[in-house]
Parts: sequence; C-alpha cells; structure tokens
Amino acid sequence: GQNIDQPTEMTATEGAIVQINCTYQTSGFNGLFWYQQHAGEAPTFLSYNVLDGLEEKGRFSSFLSRSKGYSYLLLKELQMKDSASYLCASLSPGAGSYQLTFGKGTKLSVIP
Amino acid sequence: KAGVTQTPRYLIKTRGQQVTLSCSPISGHRSVSWYQQTPGQGLQFLFEYFSETQRNKGNFPGRFSGRQFSNSRSEMNVSTLELGDSALYLCASRETGAPNNEQFFGPGTRLTVL
Repeated sequence: GQNIDQPTEMTATEGAIVQINCTYQTSGFNGLFWYQQHAGEAPTFLSYNVLDGLEEKGRFSSFLSRSKGYSYLLLKELQMKDSASYLCASLSPGAGSYQLTFGKGTKLSVIP
Repeated sequence: KAGVTQTPRYLIKTRGQQVTLSCSPISGHRSVSWYQQTPGQGLQFLFEYFSETQRNKGNFPGRFSGRQFSNSRSEMNVSTLELGDSALYLCASRETGAPNNEQFFGPGTRLTVL
C-alpha cells in the first residue's frame, strides 16, 4: 500500500488562506482524493486529482504533482465552519482491484 | 435519494464476543467499502464488495469478514472481539466499480469493546 504523510494539526485565522500538504508513494498511483471530516461526522468528498495541476472549486483548490508525489489542499477566505479534519487519500492497486489509502488526517482549527 | 445508512450507530461488546454491522448503500450504488477509523491509525481500508463479490481486502486478520447481498446491502462481522477493535466503522458506497468514482460515507457505527 501507499504511505501517506500529512501534518497532524494546523491552526489558521478566520479570513486567511491555509495550505495542507500531502505526500504519497508514487508507485501504482492512480489519483488523489481529499475529504473533509467534521468531528463526529462522516467524511465528505472535496476533490479528486489525477492529472498534474490545480483544480479550483470555490474557496477550495487542490493541486497535484505526480512526479513529486505531492498534493496540497488550499482553503481561502477561511470560515469557522472549516474547522475539521482534512483527509488525503491515494488510489492505488490493491489485492484485487484499486483501493484508497488514507492519511491520518490534518486537524485544522480556525480561530477568530 | 437517501444517503448511506449504517446500523446500529453505537454498540458495546465485551472481549471474545462477535458483532455484525450493517450498511445500506445509496440506491443504485453497487460498490460498498468498509473502513476502520481510530485516533492512532486513521482511516484504514477493510474490504470492498461489488455485485456480491469481495473485490479487495485490506491488511486485517481473518476475524474481520463481510458479505454483500443481491440488493447491495452489506454486512461486516468481527469475531472474537479484542479491545483494540474499538473504533468507528465506516462504510462507503459508490455508483459503479470505477475506483475514481466519489465515495459517499455513512455516519458510522461506534464499537466499544470492554
């Protein structure tokens, strides 16, 4: 499987911009997902990147560099409700078909 | 459409017992994956079922098993429970077998083993 590394915790101020980085093993890589998980709730899909470059969706953008095994999630105009864990997940071949390997998540705290 | 549902939401068991968790995917979704989430290890893949067949299995002992029914509902079973099995068990469904399809997660079953 893939080793996914992302920071454990980050703190940012309301209205600011924050970048959450994620690195992964490149062998067998087939795409990268970002999920948001509020405390006590299920993860919800944010983005999927398979090609190099930046994908923008409103206040959230996700970037991928396949050659470097690197992705980041960019959150602009931070709001208090963005306080959550952000999970990076790599898609790669598993024992039978493709499977998602998740990082341990980055807990983002947005402060006033 | 209704979202992914999981029952029960909370469960308390003792060591050595077994447990069965249930997941109903979004209507029309044929793929169901199961994950274990703990504070120390994060989200770890257990297995995936598609059209009643197990397509993929994570690195968990044989005490963890699952199945999928013809209506795409899925169950997972954990036998001979250990303290370390205390976790949030999440299932996720997606429409097709294509692995890059978005997965929709259920609210999870919180299992506590005493």
